[in-house]
Amino acid sequence: NAGVTQTPKFRILKIGQSMTLQCTQDMNHNYMYWYRQDPGMGLKLIYYSVGAGITDKGEVPNGYNVSRSTTEDFPLRLELAAPSQTSVYFCASSQNRGASYEQYFGPGTRLTVT
Amino acid sequence: GNSVTQMEGPVTLSEEAFLTINCTYTATGYPSLFWYVQYPGEGLQLLLKATKADDKGSNKGFEATYRKETTSFHLEKGSVQVSDSAVYFCALSDSRTGANNLFFGTGTRLTVIP
Repeated sequence: NAGVTQTPKFRILKIGQSMTLQCTQDMNHNYMYWYRQDPGMGLKLIYYSVGAGITDKGEVPNGYNVSRSTTEDFPLRLELAAPSQTSVYFCASSQNRGASYEQYFGPGTRLTVT
Repeated sequence: GNSVTQMEGPVTLSEEAFLTINCTYTATGYPSLFWYVQYPGEGLQLLLKATKADDKGSNKGFEATYRKETTSFHLEKGSVQVSDSAVYFCALSDSRTGANNLFFGTGTRLTVIP
C-alpha cells in the first residue's frame, strides 16, 4: 500500500491564481481530511469528508473548496490564491467513525503565494 | 470547546537524557488523546494514543498517561537518542464532533545532540 499520497510536493503561485492539490489514499478509508500547517503552529482542519459525496467545513475553510467523488480521492481547490494561504497542506485519512481511530497523513504540499 | 496546550520549544537535550514534553487539554466531552511525531520533510505519524482516563499509551520507549483529574497527557522518554529529533504534536479527538476530527497543539521541536 502506498498509503496517502499528495501532489505536488511544492508549488509557487501568484496572487489570484488557482490550483488543485491532489490527495489519494489506497486504504479504503471512509474519512478524509485536509489540514494546513503554518510555521510554528499546529495543524488546522480546513475540510473533511465522511464518505463519497459528503463534505463539511472544518476550522478554517474560507478560500478553499473540496469535492469527494470517489472513496480514494479528495482534492482541495484554491480559487483565488492569497498570500495568507502560504502554508504546508496535509491530507489525511481514517478508517471509520470513532474517536480512537488513527489518522494517516500524506507527506504534505508546500505552497507559497507571492 | 476543544483545545490543546503544549510546552513551548525548542527543546535541546543530550543523548540519553530524560525527556518530558507537557501537554494539557480542554474538551467538552470525553476525548481520546494522541501524540504525533513529524520527522523533517515528512508528514505526521502516530506515536501513541490513549482512549480513556488512566490509560497509558506507549511506543518506541515513549510513554504518556491520560490524566483526567489534571487534564494532561505528558510525553516522556527515559533515554533519548539522536534519531528522536523531530517535532512532537499533542492532539485530541472528541467523538462528539463526528468524523474523528483532531485538534492539535502547536508542536514542540526536540533536538538531541550526541
